[in-house]
Amino acid sequence: QVQLVESGGGLVKPGGSRRLSCVASGFTVSDYYMSWIRQAPGKGLEWVSYISSHDGATIYYADSVKGRFTISRDNTENSVYLQMNILRAEDTAVYYCAASEADNAFDIWGQGTVVTVSS
Amino acid sequence: EIVLTQSPGTLSLSPGDRATLSCRASQIVSSSYLAWYQQKPGQAPRLLIYGASRRATGIPDRFSGSGSGTDFTLTISRLEPEDFAVYYCQQYGYSPFGGGTKVEIK
Repeated sequence: QVQLVESGGGLVKPGGSRRLSCVASGFTVSDYYMSWIRQAPGKGLEWVSYISSHDGATIYYADSVKGRFTISRDNTENSVYLQMNILRAEDTAVYYCAASEADNAFDIWGQGTVVTVSS
Repeated sequence: EIVLTQSPGTLSLSPGDRATLSCRASQIVSSSYLAWYQQKPGQAPRLLIYGASRRATGIPDRFSGSGSGTDFTLTISRLEPEDFAVYYCQQYGYSPFGGGTKVEIK
């Protein structure tokens, strides 16, 4: 069964850090283009970060997280990660991991993990 | 950066009605990378349409996508009860989603 499972969410203080994990099953994560997408409470979807397939040489970040978040992939764990530093209240959201086989649409989504940034 | 504007913000319709959702881009978008997603409360989004007009696996044929350039449309030919949800368009990749259109029961 093809699926993505995110973990690592929780309550974090402003300025703190958190590492999100996304484990894939039923497919090989290195064969797919992977992204993190978030959704603040009651708001729409916001693309956050992207890592290309195979060598993972192409990485992009939304301006809102550039310099604070880092995406990475571990092929041996069949997982993608999002290291989030210097967290702000506005980073509070459900964080989804999503995959694209053909690099043209997110055809596989996880169920999301909730990150709350609050003192 | 391309901005996608979806309209209307909310569409109030009855089961059996036809729904027409618009997605307008601030610059020309490659049709190959225009996608539509459906999201129900408490659930992750689901891919409906990719390449502007290609239905994703398992998507009923009452859903159709069209358009090119800067204007794209998602049409639901006859609304089923399970179709009441929020719909987002996106130029796939490293770009923002549209603001969404909520299709609600009238």
